[in-house]
Amino acid sequence: GAVVSQHPSWVICKSGTSVKIECRSLDFQATTMFWYRQFPKQSLMLMATSNEGSKATYEQGVEKDKFLINHASLTLSTLTVTSAHPEDSSFYICSARADDRTYEQYFGPGTRLTVT
Amino acid sequence: GQQLNQSPQSMFIQEGEDVSMNCTSSSIFNTWLWYKQDPGEGPVLLIALYKAGELTSNGRLTAQFGITRKDSFLNISASIPSDVGIYFCAGPVNFGNEKLTFGTGTRLTIIP
Repeated sequence: GAVVSQHPSWVICKSGTSVKIECRSLDFQATTMFWYRQFPKQSLMLMATSNEGSKATYEQGVEKDKFLINHASLTLSTLTVTSAHPEDSSFYICSARADDRTYEQYFGPGTRLTVT
Repeated sequence: GQQLNQSPQSMFIQEGEDVSMNCTSSSIFNTWLWYKQDPGEGPVLLIALYKAGELTSNGRLTAQFGITRKDSFLNISASIPSDVGIYFCAGPVNFGNEKLTFGTGTRLTIIP
C-alpha cells in the first residue's frame, strides 16, 4: 500500500519552455501532497505543500509563478516548471500522506529535469 | 527552522558488518522517521517512531527514539549489498505541522 507514482521519470527540455510533472497516489487518497527538490549529494528541500481544491503553500524563496502547482483531485498533483532555465535542472520528488493522523510521507520515484 | 544533523556523513563498511548512525536536533521532536534513498529514486520509509524511548525494528533495521527527544538512532545488522544508499532522518517542522524537515543524510557504501 501507499504507492506514489511520478511521470515522467526524466525529461530534457530547452530553455524557455515549460515542463509538467505529474504525481499520483495510486492506492490511497491524499488531501495533501508535497513537492521537493534535491540537488546532487544534498538532502531534500521542500518547495511547496499542495492542497486539494486550494492554492499551494510555497516555501520561502520558491517562486510561485515559476513553479505552478495544481492539486485537481485527491490522487493527482502537478508541478509545472514555467520558462525553464538551466539552473532549474534538478531532481524533483513528490510525496503524499496516506493517513492525515500521522506525519509519514510516501514518496514518488522522482523526476530528473535537465534544461539545455 | 529546525535542523537535523546526521552522523556520520558517510560510512564505508564490509558486507556483514553492523552499522550505526544517528540524527540529532537542536529542539525536541515528537516523531522521527527514517528513510532510505537509492540513487535516482525517491526515499522509501523504513521506520516511524512516535514515542520517546521507543525501539522499533524492521527486519535487520532497528531504530530508537532518544529519551531526550532530540535524537534518534538507526542500526543495521549484518549489512548486505542492497543496504547501500543514503539514509535520511526526518521529523515534523514543528508540532502539528504536516511539513517534514530532513537530515543531512548518511551515505552507506559497502566495500567488496
